[in-house]
Amino acid sequence: GESVGLHLPTLSVQEGDNSIINCAYSNSASDYFIWYKQESGKGPQFIIDIRSNMDKRQGQRVTVLLNKTVKHLSLQIAATQPGDSAVYFCAETSGGSNYKLTFGKGTLLTVNP
Amino acid sequence: DSGVTQTPKHLITATGQRVTLRCSPRSGDLSVYWYQQSLDQGLQFLIQYYNGEERAKGNILERFSAQQFPDLHSELNLSSLELGDSALYFCASSVGDQREQYFGPGTRLTVT
Repeated sequence: GESVGLHLPTLSVQEGDNSIINCAYSNSASDYFIWYKQESGKGPQFIIDIRSNMDKRQGQRVTVLLNKTVKHLSLQIAATQPGDSAVYFCAETSGGSNYKLTFGKGTLLTVNP
Repeated sequence: DSGVTQTPKHLITATGQRVTLRCSPRSGDLSVYWYQQSLDQGLQFLIQYYNGEERAKGNILERFSAQQFPDLHSELNLSSLELGDSALYFCASSVGDQREQYFGPGTRLTVT
């Protein structure tokens, strides 16, 4: 079946470094992608989204890149801080009248001070 | 704080029992979504309601049901509980036709 998966289950970086979290998706009909951050004991928190008609979108310290040719999504976090430590999920929807999200397995990002 | 509230925060019950999880969406949001998060399955979409009506169904078991009330709060009913139903249950809400969903803090269900 269709799935959204992550390349790396864990990522450890030094404070101040840039982080890159990757995600592969298999549903070619996916037209909207979201990155969520989930801290321990909390619900997923929206970070940034991108539509399939875009290749790149920037937010505050975060950038999402979309490569539709290889069905790949990445989240770049600049100047990673200890507060960025969390599990990061990519999610996708394929449009229509409902917006159920299909989530990837998640990547645990650990930022070392 | 996302503005989505869920109660209870924790729930411990025995196999075969029935429980009800409650969710209040953000003010103004018409859509409510329920998700299950377990270690082996990750975050799985269960069901969506929009302004009181069921809009979409995902991997929701027949033992589970949900509804959205006129005041837009939603309840997820889980019956004939099994050990494998132990998980975090999240509610999310969004404004009608927007895809940006805001998640509540979740309810941790433990079935013993």
